[in-house]
Amino acid sequence: AQKITQTQPGMFVQEKEAVTLDCTYDTSDPSYGLFWYKQPSSGEMIFLIYQGSYDQQNATEGRYSLNFQKARKSANLVISASQLGDSAMYFCAMRERNTDKLIFGTGTRLQVFP
Amino acid sequence: DSGVTQTPKHLITATGQRVTLRCSPRSGDLSVYWYQQSLDQGLQFLIQYYNGEERAKGNILERFSAQQFPDLHSELNLSSLELGDSALYFCASSVERGQGIDYGYTFGSGTRLTVV
Repeated sequence: AQKITQTQPGMFVQEKEAVTLDCTYDTSDPSYGLFWYKQPSSGEMIFLIYQGSYDQQNATEGRYSLNFQKARKSANLVISASQLGDSAMYFCAMRERNTDKLIFGTGTRLQVFP
Repeated sequence: DSGVTQTPKHLITATGQRVTLRCSPRSGDLSVYWYQQSLDQGLQFLIQYYNGEERAKGNILERFSAQQFPDLHSELNLSSLELGDSALYFCASSVERGQGIDYGYTFGSGTRLTVV
């Protein structure tokens, strides 16, 4: 069955440092997509980055990159040069080829301090 | 503005009451999804509609129902409300799978429901 696991309930990082948020997944479908969303305290869900299961290279979007290790079924989000505005909840999610559903992990609360 | 419109943004109601949450998907998107996010919890999938038809169902209570209208807007109806139904309810929309790069969903800003 489809499952997303985020084992870090909370993370702290100093401004300008890099931080890695962990995500592991479980699926039997060879074709799937992995997503990261940011949820600031205001509540909206903001799409950050996408990785397809057949993509050969790790996805990058500005300061966000996805460390995709297919054999280990992990899709960790790396935020470089953290900013105070990065403080938020971060959710990892997965979508299989044969379903439109996005399944979310429980999230990691990131706090960036000066 | 994400293009997905949810109304109302906030709703306070009493136990036992019924409410309707409304969602207008992004232009061109045929799929609408409803999610529930309770306090400090992840997002729980409730139900999906595609072009007016129910396509997938998640952990949606029998007291809850949804529909998608011919203009593609969707409504989530919550009845016999309980204190535990207090949550942030998200609507999201997406293009049909297979049409271009899969960017997942576009989320609305949510409706915060408080049951007192």
